[in-house]
Amino acid sequence: AQSVTQLDSQVPVFEEAPVELRCNYSSSVSVYLFWYVQYPNQGLQLLLKYLSGSTLVKGINGFEAEFNKSQTSFHLRKPSVHISDTAEYFCAVILDDKIIFGKGTRLHILP
Amino acid sequence: GAGVSQSPRYKVAKRGQDVALRCDPISGHVSLFWYQQALGQGPEFLTYFQNEAQLDKSGLPSDRFFAERPEGSVSTLKIQRTQQEDSAVYLCASSRDGYRGEQYFGPGTRLTVT
Repeated sequence: AQSVTQLDSQVPVFEEAPVELRCNYSSSVSVYLFWYVQYPNQGLQLLLKYLSGSTLVKGINGFEAEFNKSQTSFHLRKPSVHISDTAEYFCAVILDDKIIFGKGTRLHILP
Repeated sequence: GAGVSQSPRYKVAKRGQDVALRCDPISGHVSLFWYQQALGQGPEFLTYFQNEAQLDKSGLPSDRFFAERPEGSVSTLKIQRTQQEDSAVYLCASSRDGYRGEQYFGPGTRLTVT
């Protein structure tokens, strides 16, 4: 079965340090890739998406992600995190018009 | 402008009761999605509407789950004879252009079946 894997359920990181949240998917065909963020007590909102073109995608709030077809990955990165980045981050993949979400990674920002 | 709204925000139902969850999408968004999110999990797709047409209901877990969008705007997800395993947050999202477009999510309805 096709799947999306977010290996880290929680990631603690110090404020102003860089962070990478990992996402891998299982597919050998073209996919569309998304990262959504859920801030405490809020609904999910789109951070960034890859549909085609440049493999490096920039999103809101200083986040970026790189599509790596050979490694079937779409890792999310930010060079310097802020306390306001505390949230849960979900990777999502569209395969054959089916959307599949990962289980999420909770980002904890340490002071 | 107004985002996606869902009501009620919280619902407690006794096992065996029927429940109805409402979603008001963003005005003009033709696509509407329902998801189920269990504790500690990501959203799982339930069903998808394009205007009033239900194009995909492959994610509905059983025939106790039914969704409709009769006029292509407001949608209702109905669960009949609720079971404890139905306890979850039910999310609604809308978009301008199907799966590839940005989905705008509502705050969800937390359903607890006792």
